[in-house]
Amino acid sequence: DIQLTQSPSFLSASVGDRVTITCRASQGIVSYVAWYQQKPGKAPKLLIYATSTLQSGVPSRFSGRGSGTEFTLTITSLQSEDLATYYCQHLDSYPITFGQGTRLEIK
Amino acid sequence: QVQLVESGGGVVQPGESLRLSCAASSFTFSSHAMHWVRQAPGEGLEWVALISFDGSNKYYADSLKGRFTISRDNSKHTLYLHMNSLRADDTAVYFCARDPRGPTTTPPPNWFDSWGQGTLVTVSS
Repeated sequence: DIQLTQSPSFLSASVGDRVTITCRASQGIVSYVAWYQQKPGKAPKLLIYATSTLQSGVPSRFSGRGSGTEFTLTITSLQSEDLATYYCQHLDSYPITFGQGTRLEIK
Repeated sequence: QVQLVESGGGVVQPGESLRLSCAASSFTFSSHAMHWVRQAPGEGLEWVALISFDGSNKYYADSLKGRFTISRDNSKHTLYLHMNSLRADDTAVYFCARDPRGPTTTPPPNWFDSWGQGTLVTVSS
C-alpha cells in the first residue's frame, strides 16, 4: 500500500500569509494526487484533482503541484475561511489512501 | 447540484450488523462509480470500498474484506454498505462519495467530487 505523509501536521498562520503543505508518498506515484479541505463538522470538499487542476468554484489562491514522491498544496494570501484540515489522496492503485491531514489554524 | 444523503447510522453492540444507505439525486446515479469513506472520531479519512457503475466490480480496503459489503440499486438511486461483525474500531462517520467519471466497468482509483454529509456509526457495549 502507498503511504502518504503530510507535513506539517499542524500549521498556524496569519491572514494574508502564503502556506504550503507537503504530501510525501512511500513510493513513486505514477498518476496523480488530489487535495481536500474539511471544515469542522463537515464533509471533505475537493479542492484540487490531477495534482494541479483546480476544482470548479475553488478560489484561485489554492494551487497544487508535484510529481514522483512529493506533492504540495499552496494557499497564497490565506483567508480566515481557510481554517480547516487538508488531506491529500493518491490515485495510483487500490487501496486508495489519504495523508493523515494537516490542521490549519488562523492566528 | 449533486446530492448524497447517508442514513442508517446508530449505536450498535460489538458483533452486530448494520446497513448504511446513501440516497443520490440530481445526477445520473447509474453512470457513476461510488465509494464509502469513513472517519473515526478525531482521526483522518479512511477509504472503505468502491463499486462500479453497474455493480459488477467491487474493491475493498484490505482490513475490511469479508466483513463489509458494498452494493447498489440503480433503480432506487441508492448505495449501500452492509457491515457485519462490527467492532469498536469501526466507530466512525461514514461518508458516501461520487467518482466523477462516466461508466467504467473496472474503474481505476480516482478523486471524489461530491460527498454526503455522513452518518455516524457507534459500536459500543
